[in-house]
Amino acid sequence: GAVVSQHPSWVICKSGTSVKIECRSLDFQATTMFWYRQFPKQSLMLMATSNEGSKATYEQGVEKDKFLINHASLTLSTLTVTSAHPEDSSFYICSAHRGGRNEQFFGPGTRLTVL
Amino acid sequence: AQSVSQHNHHVILSEAASLELGCNYSYGGTVNLFWYVQYPGQHLQLLLKYFSGDPLVKGIKGFEAEFIKSKFSFNLRKPSVQWSDTAEYFCAVIDGGTSYGKLTFGQGTILTVHP
Repeated sequence: GAVVSQHPSWVICKSGTSVKIECRSLDFQATTMFWYRQFPKQSLMLMATSNEGSKATYEQGVEKDKFLINHASLTLSTLTVTSAHPEDSSFYICSAHRGGRNEQFFGPGTRLTVL
Repeated sequence: AQSVSQHNHHVILSEAASLELGCNYSYGGTVNLFWYVQYPGQHLQLLLKYFSGDPLVKGIKGFEAEFIKSKFSFNLRKPSVQWSDTAEYFCAVIDGGTSYGKLTFGQGTILTVHP
């Protein structure tokens, strides 16, 4: 149990376009999901906390108008990278918090390349 | 703010050698501690976690970690590594008192095990 999926697994887009990444908890409900960004050879950096039915909470330095997060249901959160630039190229990972335990389950990640 | 430090960026061992990966965190209050592993091409998986109780925690695949509160440490150990343990290992912390569910990750340690 506790499987989290992400779609797509990789995406290539042109500069200036928007890209949507989905994160789904497949076999449990997650009131809270998290979005991380991982640069090559670096650790995961938390971008934002996504709460079902409310606005996301962004970490300092993360542009909320650029990285739009929607958590419309207990099993789905989406991250939209708007007006993507090459510097947005990265590995984006989501996690889902399973209720009752202070534990997160991670998705496989989405590799975004902006040309 | 919480910070997590992993002492070694890259560790190279031969099979059957013993492993110890260091992890220190900065916040002195109540914490939940985790070790995650990321095998090549795969998503993050939980190795073990500490919430409370016995400070020596046993996880999957023969790994264990010891929480030493006085040293703010949570080192990962395995008495005899295998080639299949080649992966990147991340230490992570949740501040139990304030940042519900927000994981702070260390920089990661790449473990390479030679057969």
